[in-house]
Amino acid sequence: KNEVEQSPQNLTAQEGEFITINCSYSVGISALHWLQQHPGGGIVSLFMLSSGKKKHGRLIATINIQEKHSSLHITASHPRDSAVYICAGRSMEYGNKLVFGAGTILRVKS
Amino acid sequence: NAGVTQTPKFQVLKTGQSMTLQCAQDMNHNSMYWYRQDPGMGLRLIYYSASEGTTDKGEVPNGYNVSRLNKREFSLRLESAAPSQTSVYFCASSARDRAYNEQFFGPGTRLTVL
Repeated sequence: KNEVEQSPQNLTAQEGEFITINCSYSVGISALHWLQQHPGGGIVSLFMLSSGKKKHGRLIATINIQEKHSSLHITASHPRDSAVYICAGRSMEYGNKLVFGAGTILRVKS
Repeated sequence: NAGVTQTPKFQVLKTGQSMTLQCAQDMNHNSMYWYRQDPGMGLRLIYYSASEGTTDKGEVPNGYNVSRLNKREFSLRLESAAPSQTSVYFCASSARDRAYNEQFFGPGTRLTVL
């Protein structure tokens, strides 16, 4: 069983749709990261959070520490949002190293 | 600033061959990491260096060695490559090895072992 599970694994949306990607974790974490991996392979950090909600442009990340769950929302989705979205927890059980989910492949069609 | 650079971008090896993957960062970061990414799995930590002069094993260190050459450079060596080491390798760095420090990733090296 993976310590960090993401759903769905694959997601296809129409341009303009509201998108939600979910992340559940079973280990204690000190912070949760959301990352984006572009089709070319590059990985960039989107958010780091340990409570509440963060917003950057059309992206919103929320976390519920008690329920061990985080969500990444994309409003007014656009084809350029097509990428793999990865959540990762800074795991206290693994020496505070990042433990990664397998990623959600998002495709936004125009 | 180039950020995190990796060489080579692609490599094909035969079983038993050796090679070194190079990584450098120009952000004056203390901590550096090597990950591998396999289909259907999350990134897994191979080795990390919390600061210059130190290295530690991650989740999947078998078959690999690392060298933190200086603050900028962190190399990953495969002494005798095996097909199970076919993967995409990412180097990353962060200011410190702390929960809220963002990790910056290199572009990756796609390695195939035949």
